[in-house]
Amino acid sequence: DIQMTQSPSSLSASVGDRVTITCRASQGISNYLAWYQQKPGKVPKLLIYAASTLQSGVPSRFSGSGSGTDFTLTISSLQPEDVATYYCQKYNSALQTFGQGTKVEIK
Amino acid sequence: EVQLVQSGAEVKKPGESLRISCKGSGYSFTSYWISWVRQMPGKGLEWMGRIDPSDSYTNYSPSFQGHVTISADKSISTAYLQWSSLKASDTAMYYCARSDWLPEKYYFDYWGQGTLVTVSS
Repeated sequence: DIQMTQSPSSLSASVGDRVTITCRASQGISNYLAWYQQKPGKVPKLLIYAASTLQSGVPSRFSGSGSGTDFTLTISSLQPEDVATYYCQKYNSALQTFGQGTKVEIK
Repeated sequence: EVQLVQSGAEVKKPGESLRISCKGSGYSFTSYWISWVRQMPGKGLEWMGRIDPSDSYTNYSPSFQGHVTISADKSISTAYLQWSSLKASDTAMYYCARSDWLPEKYYFDYWGQGTLVTVSS
């Protein structure tokens, strides 16, 4: 089974900071990688699919990159409403796997 | 408007059976996979398995195979997640989520609101 490892597991940054979260697959998954945002007590929300395509309605400060085994989610200017846990998900096969999550807080 | 509406919260005792539901509307229910995702208290998202409502073909995560059953009734656009004998460790929030039938679109674009299952003696 392909494992998905996110880093860091948590981070604290100031409003306006650039934030980067990394997701690594144990085997190559091409660009079959999605990112989700889950705010406290809320339902997960799709942010990015195909590693770098922004879902409709998602603010442009979010971006994704990568292919193969290494991927990143970047928030170009952190906002208070971005406090959430972020998950990557690989979907290159019927067996789908999430990363363990990265909790983002405001310093 | 696409919606996935899940059944309400459940409180059960260990050993009891349970079936929770997820009703799709606003789209062609048989044209998309429905997956189930577990989130234990304070923990991350775990994909459990999925069903093709058009023919009830299923895939399961090895971690959940044999522990739960996923089914669907396409006549009422509803998918189900079922346990025959609950354990305290099944206490969690359960989400259903939709994905396209195309492999390059297996990500989850719509989610249900979640069903909280509490198993306690």
